[in-house]
Amino acid sequence: DGGITQSPKYLFRKEGQNVTLSCEQNLNHDAMYWYRQDPGQGLRLIYYSQIVNDFQKGDIAEGYSVSREKKESFPLTVTSAQKNPTAFYLCASNRWQGSNQPQHFGDGTRLSIL
Amino acid sequence: GESVGLHLPTLSVQEGDNSIINCAYSNSASDYFIWYKQESGKGPQFIIDIRSNMDKRQGQRVTVLLNKTVKHLSLQIAATQPGDSAVYFCAEGGNGGAQKLVFGQGTRLTINP
Repeated sequence: DGGITQSPKYLFRKEGQNVTLSCEQNLNHDAMYWYRQDPGQGLRLIYYSQIVNDFQKGDIAEGYSVSREKKESFPLTVTSAQKNPTAFYLCASNRWQGSNQPQHFGDGTRLSIL
Repeated sequence: GESVGLHLPTLSVQEGDNSIINCAYSNSASDYFIWYKQESGKGPQFIIDIRSNMDKRQGQRVTVLLNKTVKHLSLQIAATQPGDSAVYFCAEGGNGGAQKLVFGQGTRLTINP
């Protein structure tokens, strides 16, 4: 089945540690996105990428890094500089060119601090 | 310090009734709007979208209404079912359309049997 796969489902981070969240899509979508969701709130954009080897900061990029070496993959690293990393992280993708196409989401990774 | 989640707006309806979820958006230049449904522990699921050159669009059991004059968006769900219980988010695409979405806080819909 075509879709977006995020892993792991749950992740724990120790003090001073970097952790990487995986996002893979087999929808042949051009654009990929990372959002953060805090309890009872909407989604906030961290980073997005329109094409391979290119990405842009979103509204809350500080303390995060990404790469886009393959069209199918857009991993997010939560660095030790992110002082409040506990949240639900969501990856999305859509077609970039042409008319507006809805973003489709994976089922998220829940990150907690040990 | 520890962040505290905001209290979500809630809506309770009887099974079989119609429900209307409202959303106010902020950017008068937004040209794309979308509704998502999110169940607990899952990612948002696309429901329906609408461009700014339309004021109404219908899907299966759902209708989205757009009033650009007052910057208001609504989602109507007909004949609600228990499976409709979830948090519903609206999002607006400003200058970036579907590529730069700004999400609302969400509304929790509960269906009573």
